[in-house]
Amino acid sequence: GAVVSQHPSWVICKSGTSVKIECRSLDFQATTMFWYRQFPKQSLMLMATSNEGSKATYEQGVEKDKFLINHASLTLSTLTVTSAHPEDSSFYICSARSEDREIVTQPQHFGDGTRLSIL
Amino acid sequence: GQNIDQPTEMTATEGAIVQINCTYQTSGFNGLFWYQQHAGEAPTFLSYNVLDGLEEKGRFSSFLSRSKGYSYLLLKELQMKDSASYLCAPMDSNYQLIWGAGTKLIIKP
Repeated sequence: GAVVSQHPSWVICKSGTSVKIECRSLDFQATTMFWYRQFPKQSLMLMATSNEGSKATYEQGVEKDKFLINHASLTLSTLTVTSAHPEDSSFYICSARSEDREIVTQPQHFGDGTRLSIL
Repeated sequence: GQNIDQPTEMTATEGAIVQINCTYQTSGFNGLFWYQQHAGEAPTFLSYNVLDGLEEKGRFSSFLSRSKGYSYLLLKELQMKDSASYLCAPMDSNYQLIWGAGTKLIIKP
């Protein structure tokens, strides 16, 4: 159980394009979803935390107008990279947190990630 | 502030044992997690420690000392597929995972 599906797995597009990445919890309700970005040989960087039905909380330095996050249901969150540029090329990973009773034993279930390449 | 310190890279031989150390400082503490991450893939959960001591799970074991802010991951009978990055991630008082840069483990035949 606790499967998180992330699509697409790979995106290549031109500079200026907006790209949407979906993150779905397939067999559980995710009250909280996390969006990370990871550059080569660097650590996971938390971009934002989203709770169903409310606005996402962005980490310092992350432009909320650039990275639009929508968490419309308990099973779906989307990240839209607006007007993407080459410096936005990175590995984007979502994760979801299930019921609170599992929070300390298995805090986050990860999607497979999306590799975004902006030409 | 919050800080994670683990070696950047380690090399070990197939069949051997390797210990990856991690020291941490967090605002509050609700346990420590170890994840494995292969290149180009998302992290996968390995272990969780909340009390002091050793937790064993097959070839992998994880140790925690809360008073020292220290943990290690022990990998036995190393296999080539164990080549990956290993991420130490303590959980703070808000139940948020704090991620370090990870240790890249290279296994040689």
